[in-house]
Amino acid sequence: KNQVEQSPQSLIILEGKNCTLQCNYTVSPFSNLRWYKQDTGRGPVSLTIMTFSENTKSNGRYTATLDADTKQSSLHITASQLSDSASYICVVISTDSWGKFQFGAGTQVVVTP
Amino acid sequence: EPEVTQTPSHQVTQMGQEVILRCVPISNHLYFYWYRQILGQKVEFLVSFYNNEISEKSEIFDDQFSVERPDGSNFTLKIRSTKLEDSAMYFCASSAALRDSVNEQYFGPGTRLTVT
Repeated sequence: KNQVEQSPQSLIILEGKNCTLQCNYTVSPFSNLRWYKQDTGRGPVSLTIMTFSENTKSNGRYTATLDADTKQSSLHITASQLSDSASYICVVISTDSWGKFQFGAGTQVVVTP
Repeated sequence: EPEVTQTPSHQVTQMGQEVILRCVPISNHLYFYWYRQILGQKVEFLVSFYNNEISEKSEIFDDQFSVERPDGSNFTLKIRSTKLEDSAMYFCASSAALRDSVNEQYFGPGTRLTVT
């Protein structure tokens, strides 16, 4: 069964610090991997989309990496801000199921002053 | 900036009743989706829709559910005979393309469905 696993489940960081979130997947055949930010009670918002050939992609203070060989991705948040407090969700799409997005459970990030 | 809108923001219904959740996708988008998120759980795919028919659906999307694009702008999710376990946040999403691997998928703000 195709799965997307994220770690840690939650983390607390001080404002201004960096953190890295992990995503491991078994979805195959692979098309692309996305990271979303979801504020409480809101819909997910796309941060990055990475295809098989891309290793790193940045969006402001967010940097995603992808290792398609080991089926791992990470999301690095630099110089965290209070507004970064949210759930960060890894989503993987298979070429077999273009319309069916496989969501991870998310990592809940809390940034404290 | 164009956005996906959903109505109502919160729907309360009694068990056994039918509900219709409404979505207005971004106007030039062709692919539409419904997801649900039970409180404290992950987002789950329900169905994708293209060219007036279902493209894919999950195991969750059984005969209790149906989708429709009744006109050129709305995309609806109907839940028949609601159950307590249908209580969740329902998200609509749309995208311009499907087989383009870098297409963005835009989510609406969600409808919180509470079944009592």
